[in-house]
This record gives sequence, structure tokens and C-alpha cells, in this order.
Amino acid sequence: DGGITQSPKYLFRKEGQNVTLSCEQNLNHDAMYWYRQDPGQGLRLIYYSQIVNDFQKGDIAEGYSVSREKKESFPLTVTSAQKNPTAFYLCASSSRQGAVTDTQYFGPGTRLTVL
Amino acid sequence: QKEVEQNSGPLSVPEGAIASLNCTYSDRGSQSFFWYRQYSGKSPELIMSIYSNGDKEDGRFTAQLNKASQYVSLLIRDSQPSDSATYLCAVTTGRRALTFGSGTRLQVQP
Repeated sequence: DGGITQSPKYLFRKEGQNVTLSCEQNLNHDAMYWYRQDPGQGLRLIYYSQIVNDFQKGDIAEGYSVSREKKESFPLTVTSAQKNPTAFYLCASSSRQGAVTDTQYFGPGTRLTVL
Repeated sequence: QKEVEQNSGPLSVPEGAIASLNCTYSDRGSQSFFWYRQYSGKSPELIMSIYSNGDKEDGRFTAQLNKASQYVSLLIRDSQPSDSATYLCAVTTGRRALTFGSGTRLQVQP
């Protein structure tokens, strides 16, 4: 069963804690992305990666970190430096970043709440 | 000015009618345009993609692109209550990651 998986589905964080959100894909896609969605708003890009061991900051990278050690995995760490992390986090992947027809597909998302 | 703009709605249409959703974008270099549907609490799912000027039809959905006017639209024919969702317009810019509008909420009344 091919697709993108994210875990956990719900995550609760205490103030000052770092948490890591998992994203795995078995679609053999080269590019992976992390977006954040706040209520009533569109998605905003946090980080993206075109290839293993390489990644770029998006529009709202402050307070987040990522790694891309394997093609199929792109975990996102929400650090204590992120002042307002409560949001819906979405991971996406695409087969060939750079092609006009490249299309992103989304995982089911992780809802993070700060207690 | 936002890079991708959509009317937040809600857009309310009766069942069986045509729903028309609009989106404008600011980057003239944009090359790829997408419509995603998002149900409440769920992740976006791809509805349509369009890359060249004109219309593209897929079942009840038609995407329209006008690069000179920098707008892209989505028409939904024979609207059904199950079409009630938020529709997100997304555009790829030079870096190839998606830039999203804030979405239009569509309500189809039975």
C-alpha cells in the first residue's frame, strides 16, 4: 500500500520541550516538504528537501529543524524556540522537483497542541 | 499583497448548481497551478492541475487558467453536498515548492 504516513496523529507538547514529527513515504519520491496550517489559513512552507542530505528553509523555518538521511524519511523537530507551535503539520512529497508537471501529495497530518 | 489570493467565502450554492471558485496570483513567472480539496480536519487532496492557458476538464471539474490576467479558477458542475469543503489554490514559484492561498469554503445546500 503506497503512500505517505505521518505519526503521531495527535501530539501534545509542554512548554520548553522539543518534539519530533515523523514523515515516511514509500512512493520513491525525491522531494519532500513540511507545511504548517493554522485555523482558517492556507499552508505555509517550513522546510523542503530535493535530495538526500540536502534541505532548504521555507518561509517560516525559525524554531524548526529537519534532517534527510534517507530518501523515504523527512522528520521535523519543533524546538522550544518556536513560540507558537500549536498547528496542523502536513508532510508532502513529489517525484521530481523542478519539472513543471511535478505534483505534491500530502500525508494525513499531525495535529500538535502545546499545553 | 498576498502571493496567492482567494475569497474565503463561504460560497453557498444549491445542489445541482455550478460552483465557481477563483484565485489570483502575483508571480508572473508561476508555471504550475493546482486545486486541492480539504475536508475539515483532513489533509489536502489533489483535484486538478493545470499548466497552460485555457480550460482543462476532468469529470465534473474544470480548471481555467489565464496567465495574462494572473488568475486561475475551478468550476464544479452538478455540485453535490459531498463537495462541501475548503478549496485551496496553490501555485509553484521559482523554488518549486507550493505557495497556497488561504482557501475558499464551499457549502452545497441539499
